[in-house]
Amino acid sequence: NAGVTQTPKFRVLKTGQSMTLLCAQDMNHEYMYWYRQDPGMGLRLIHYSVGEGTTAKGEVPDGYNVSRLKKQNFLLGLESAAPSQTSVYFCASRRTDGSSGANVLTFGAGSRLTVL
Amino acid sequence: GEDVEQSLFLSVREGDSSVINCTYTDSSSTYLYWYKQEPGAGLQLLTYIFSNMDMKQDQRLTVLLNKKDKHLSLRIADTQTGDSAIYFCAERGGYQKVTFGIGTKLQVIP
Repeated sequence: NAGVTQTPKFRVLKTGQSMTLLCAQDMNHEYMYWYRQDPGMGLRLIHYSVGEGTTAKGEVPDGYNVSRLKKQNFLLGLESAAPSQTSVYFCASRRTDGSSGANVLTFGAGSRLTVL
Repeated sequence: GEDVEQSLFLSVREGDSSVINCTYTDSSSTYLYWYKQEPGAGLQLLTYIFSNMDMKQDQRLTVLLNKKDKHLSLRIADTQTGDSAIYFCAERGGYQKVTFGIGTKLQVIP
C-alpha cells in the first residue's frame, strides 16, 4: 500500500517554463489537497478537491491550476513558473476516522521545485 | 479567519520532557491535530483531540487543550533523539479546511 505518491521529487525550472506535479493515492479517498511549504510560512493551501471532477481554490491559488480527472490523481500545474513559486509542494489526501469523525490527512513525501 | 501560532524552536536534553505550545483563533474548531515532519519527508499524523476534550494521552504523548484560551500543547515524555523533527499544530475549522501553524523545530541534545 503506497499511500500518497508525488512525482517528480525534484525539479529545476527556468522562469516562464511550465510543468505539472502529479499526486497519486491508492486509498480511495475523496478529498485531496495541494500545499506549499516555505520557511517561516508553514503550510499554505493552494487548491483542493472534494471528489473526481471537482476543484476549489485554497489560500494561495494564483499562478497554479489543478485537475482531478480521476479519483486517484490530483495534478498541480504551473503555466508560467516564477521564482516566487520556488517551494516544497506537498500533496495530501483525506479520510474520516470512522469512530471519532476526525479528518486525517495522509501526505506525500514532497516535491522540491526551484525556479531560476 | 483561522490562524494558528507556534514558537519556532525548542531544544531539550535526551530523557527530558518536551512541551510544544500552540494557540489558535477559530473558536469553531472541532478537531485539533499534531503532525510530525522528519527531514526530507512529508507530515505524519501524531495525534488529535476533539474540541470537547481537555486531555488525551497516547503512550509518551500527552495533548492538553484549553478551549477557553484557545491553547493546545503537546508533551513528549522521555524525549529521544528520534523525536527530533518539526511539529505542526493544525486545526479543522471552516469548510473542508485544515489550517497549519508554521511548525516548531524540536532539537534533542544527546
